[in-house]
Amino acid sequence: EAQVTQNPRYLITVTGKKLTVTCSQNMNHEYMSWYRQDPGLGLRQIYYSMNVEVTDKGDVPEGYKVSRKEKRNFPLILESPSPNQTSLYFCASSLARDRAYNEQFFGPGTRLTVL
Amino acid sequence: AQSVSQHNHHVILSEAASLELGCNYSYGGTVNLFWYVQYPGQHLQLLLKYFSGDPLVKGIKGFEAEFIKSKFSFNLRKPSVQWSDTAEYFCAVNAPRAGNNRKLIWGLGTSLAVNP
Repeated sequence: EAQVTQNPRYLITVTGKKLTVTCSQNMNHEYMSWYRQDPGLGLRQIYYSMNVEVTDKGDVPEGYKVSRKEKRNFPLILESPSPNQTSLYFCASSLARDRAYNEQFFGPGTRLTVL
Repeated sequence: AQSVSQHNHHVILSEAASLELGCNYSYGGTVNLFWYVQYPGQHLQLLLKYFSGDPLVKGIKGFEAEFIKSKFSFNLRKPSVQWSDTAEYFCAVNAPRAGNNRKLIWGLGTSLAVNP
């Protein structure tokens, strides 16, 4: 089954304790992206990756890191989480075809609480 | 900067009522347009998309949207809603620009509650 998976689905942690949220897709998509979703603010892009070893900042990258060592994986790293990073996080992927844009497929979400 | 506006933040309807959710964007060039739906506790799913051709686009579950270029709009419609349509609806626009033609610009979403 074609899908984007995220782990963990729920995480409660404390300020300053490094964490990683994994994202994996099995559709051979070149493009992957991380979003956070907050009430009243909609979806905001954190980082995206156009292909392996190619990553770039989205609209709200502060406090986050990513890596893209393999095509299928795009982990989100919070080196020193803070309470303002409490949010619902979504990973998404899509095909990259020249100049055409394709729909994004979303993972199930990770609800993160930073105390 | 490009932006996407969804006029209605919260909509409450009774079953069988007709639905129209507004979406306007602020980019004058070529655009690709999307509506995504997020059912309670679930991830976002694509409802429909417009790239080119017929401006009236039909999606899943009886939804449709009309692209009106002169109005920079891409409103979502459904003639008769059901309780199961209760969800959050997001409009998104891809406005290709050099180096990042895969960036989506999102509206803030419209929360739809359908009463049985």
